[in-house]
Amino acid sequence: GAVVSQHPSWVICKSGTSVKIECRSLDFQATTMFWYRQFPKQSLMLMATSNEGSKATYEQGVEKDKFLINHASLTLSTLTVTSAHPEDSSFYICSARGLAVSLQFFGPGTRLTVL
Amino acid sequence: GENVEQHPSTLSVQEGDSAVIKCTYSDSASNYFPWYKQELGKGPQLIIDIRSNVGEKKDQRIAVTLNKTAKHFSLHITETQPEDSAVYFCAASIKGAGGTSYGKLTFGQGTILTVHP
Repeated sequence: GAVVSQHPSWVICKSGTSVKIECRSLDFQATTMFWYRQFPKQSLMLMATSNEGSKATYEQGVEKDKFLINHASLTLSTLTVTSAHPEDSSFYICSARGLAVSLQFFGPGTRLTVL
Repeated sequence: GENVEQHPSTLSVQEGDSAVIKCTYSDSASNYFPWYKQELGKGPQLIIDIRSNVGEKKDQRIAVTLNKTAKHFSLHITETQPEDSAVYFCAASIKGAGGTSYGKLTFGQGTILTVHP
């Protein structure tokens, strides 16, 4: 149980375009979802926390207008990277937590490459 | 806020040997300490965790120890196998009193474990 999926698994886009990444909890209701960013050979850095039906809480230094997060249902959260630039290229990972699943379970990640 | 330090950054062992990874944390309020294994190009997977009311926990070849006084916890892998090769992350979190969920995780820097056949 406690499976989290992400889509797409990888995406390549041109500079200036927007990219949407989906995070789904497949077998539980996720009241809270977390979005992380991971650069090569580095640790996971929390970007934002989203509670279903509420605005996301962003970590210090993360631009909320650039990284739009929507958590409209108990099984889906989306991260939209707006006007992407090469420096946004990274591995984006989501995790989900619910009332019945108090721990965080992670998705497989999405590799974003901005040309 | 919480700060988690992890050592070593790389660890190379021979198959069958033991591997130990250590972490220290700064916030004495932290009470939940998970360990994750991350394979290349994949998300982290929880391999074992420990809560602050326990000093040690074991699951087959994997064990975790916690010293609350010194604020450090360690991952021990015995009889290592090549498939244990991955990046391992420790993390710390706080579970609120009366709550059912754990707060946000603060991760260590990661340890690249290589097990040579």
